[in-house]
Amino acid sequence: SQKIEQNSEALNIQEGKTATLTCNYTNYSPAYLQWYRQDPGRGPVFLLLIRENEKEKRKERLKVTFDTTLKQSLFHITASQPADSATYLCALARSNDYKLSFGAGTTVTVRA
Amino acid sequence: DTGVSQNPRHKITKRGQNVTFRCDPISEHNRLYWYRQTLGQGPEFLTYFQNEAQLEKSRLLSDRFSAERPKGSFSTLEIQRTEQGDSAMYLCASSTDDRATGELFFGEGSRLTVL
Repeated sequence: SQKIEQNSEALNIQEGKTATLTCNYTNYSPAYLQWYRQDPGRGPVFLLLIRENEKEKRKERLKVTFDTTLKQSLFHITASQPADSATYLCALARSNDYKLSFGAGTTVTVRA
Repeated sequence: DTGVSQNPRHKITKRGQNVTFRCDPISEHNRLYWYRQTLGQGPEFLTYFQNEAQLEKSRLLSDRFSAERPKGSFSTLEIQRTEQGDSAMYLCASSTDDRATGELFFGEGSRLTVL
């Protein structure tokens, strides 16, 4: 069956450090992969999209890598700040599909 | 346009009652999605529309659930004879047809509690 797995443990890091989150998938051939941020009681907010033929994408302090051989994406938050504390969701879509399938998310807490 | 709007934000109901949620998408978006999210889990796909046509429904969507999008504008999600297992956050999202971005714009969700 198809699975999308993210870090099972919550991530607690010191302000200024880099947070690295993992998204692994099985039985999937995604056309692209997206990362969303979700604050408690709010809807997810889009952060980044990376396509199957791209290795890396950056946006400000965020970096995403995508390895279709390993079936894995890494999401990095550099120079983390307490305001980065949230749950981060990875989501995949197939080439013939508009809907997204989401992982369970990883909760990040950045300590001042 | 202020984004995707969902109403009500919170709904508490007794088991067996019917509930209806409304979603107003971003006006130029022709695709509209419904997801359900429970605590500690990611959003689970329920159904989606392109304009007024319902193109796909998840197996999660039992016969008690029905969604409509008349005239391709707002959408409603109705749950009949609610059960305690229906308690969740119901999220609506919208998008354009542009696969270059693929971004979904989510509303703030409608939280359902079934007593």
